[in-house]
Amino acid sequence: SQTIHQWPATLVQPVGSPLSLECTVEGTSNPNLYWYRQAAGRGLQLLFYSVGIGQISSEVPQNLSASRPQDRQFILSSKKLLLSDSGFYLCAWTSNLGSNQPQHFGDGTRLSIL
Amino acid sequence: GDSVTQMEGPVTLSEEAFLTINCTYTATGYPSLFWYVQYPGEGLQLLLKATKADDKGSNKGFEATYRKETTSFHLEKGSVQVSDSAVYFCALSEKAAGNKLTFGGGTRVLVKP
Repeated sequence: SQTIHQWPATLVQPVGSPLSLECTVEGTSNPNLYWYRQAAGRGLQLLFYSVGIGQISSEVPQNLSASRPQDRQFILSSKKLLLSDSGFYLCAWTSNLGSNQPQHFGDGTRLSIL
Repeated sequence: GDSVTQMEGPVTLSEEAFLTINCTYTATGYPSLFWYVQYPGEGLQLLLKATKADDKGSNKGFEATYRKETTSFHLEKGSVQVSDSAVYFCALSEKAAGNKLTFGGGTRVLVKP
């Protein structure tokens, strides 16, 4: 069966520090991968998605970047964190077979910027 | 572009009450529709889905019917439990690059004993 792992689960970082959040998927090949952010008490905003290694699409201009160095690995990064980067970050994957596939989410990383 | 609108919460109910969460959408094509649930401190879980008009998705006592004529996908449950307290998200995906999901803003549901 397929599983998705995100880490760390919780992170507290100072303003201006770098960031690296990692997401890996097991049990499937060539998944579509996604990074979302959920601000406190609000809905989900799609940040990045990837349909293959090295292919990254950005949905909103921001202080963050994403990379996909391997088929089942998706990394969210920042060189200098801002206070506004605080939130709950969720990674998700979906099969690339067909258009009706649901997305499967990781448990999320709660990021607090001080 | 695509959008999803769902009723704002919080929705507060007593156990065994009937729950309805309204969801309507706008889409350029023929989307698939989903309901996701987020329990406190956790990620999102797929609750149910429907991929074509008049399809009914169901799971854990929840149901939603894909209504193309009213562009709606309302979530219902006949008798809620305290364990149903969560945030519920309506979402759609279109046959565009990457199966991207467009989410509604979420509806917080609190069920009291």
